[in-house]
Amino acid sequence: QKEVEQDPGPLSVPEGAIVSLNCTYSNSAFQYFMWYRQYSRKGPELLMYTYSSGNKEDGRFTAQVDKSSKYISLFIRDSQPSDSATYLCAMRNSSASKIIFGSGTRLSIRP
Amino acid sequence: EAGVVQSPRYKIIEKKQPVAFWCNPISGHNTLYWYRQNLGQGPELLIRYENEEAVDDSQLPKDRFSAERLKGVDSTLKIQPAELGDSAVYLCASSLEAGGPSDTQYFGPGTRLTVL
Repeated sequence: QKEVEQDPGPLSVPEGAIVSLNCTYSNSAFQYFMWYRQYSRKGPELLMYTYSSGNKEDGRFTAQVDKSSKYISLFIRDSQPSDSATYLCAMRNSSASKIIFGSGTRLSIRP
Repeated sequence: EAGVVQSPRYKIIEKKQPVAFWCNPISGHNTLYWYRQNLGQGPELLIRYENEEAVDDSQLPKDRFSAERLKGVDSTLKIQPAELGDSAVYLCASSLEAGGPSDTQYFGPGTRLTVL
């Protein structure tokens, strides 16, 4: 079993829809949770960075962490075609620098 | 501010040939990472440097892979000889410090390697 599980998709939604992306994990030591966006033939770009449980909002993006369920989510409001990309969840514990990535969810926003 | 720079962007070689990738991290970032990303997968760490010291190379296949970070800035990752299974995107990332709340990793565009 992988430490981090993520549905690979692909996920296709119409422009303007609310998108929900999710990951589950097994290591209770994880304290820092991240979402990266990766466009085709580009490197991952950090979108959201959250410590421990709770919500964090940045513009159209909201990250949620539920440590009791070992479940994290990324919500995208008013989705745009430019949001079409692969979204990678990632996490690490408090002291280690090693990030464990999910396998990524490919998202397509239809105009 | 310039991001992480990698070259080449693409490389096609025949199996058993050597290949090298180069990375220049963000200025002032002491920690440098090399990742491998297979198609449809997330990046997996190969090696991490703190300045010029390799502090985590447990996932680096040492029989054919080597890396160096002379002077604690630029880094080179080498594969010799390459195998078909080495086809992947090789990503370099850097961060100000390892561990703790400020450990945010910034990625370069990657080198896409195809081994024929």
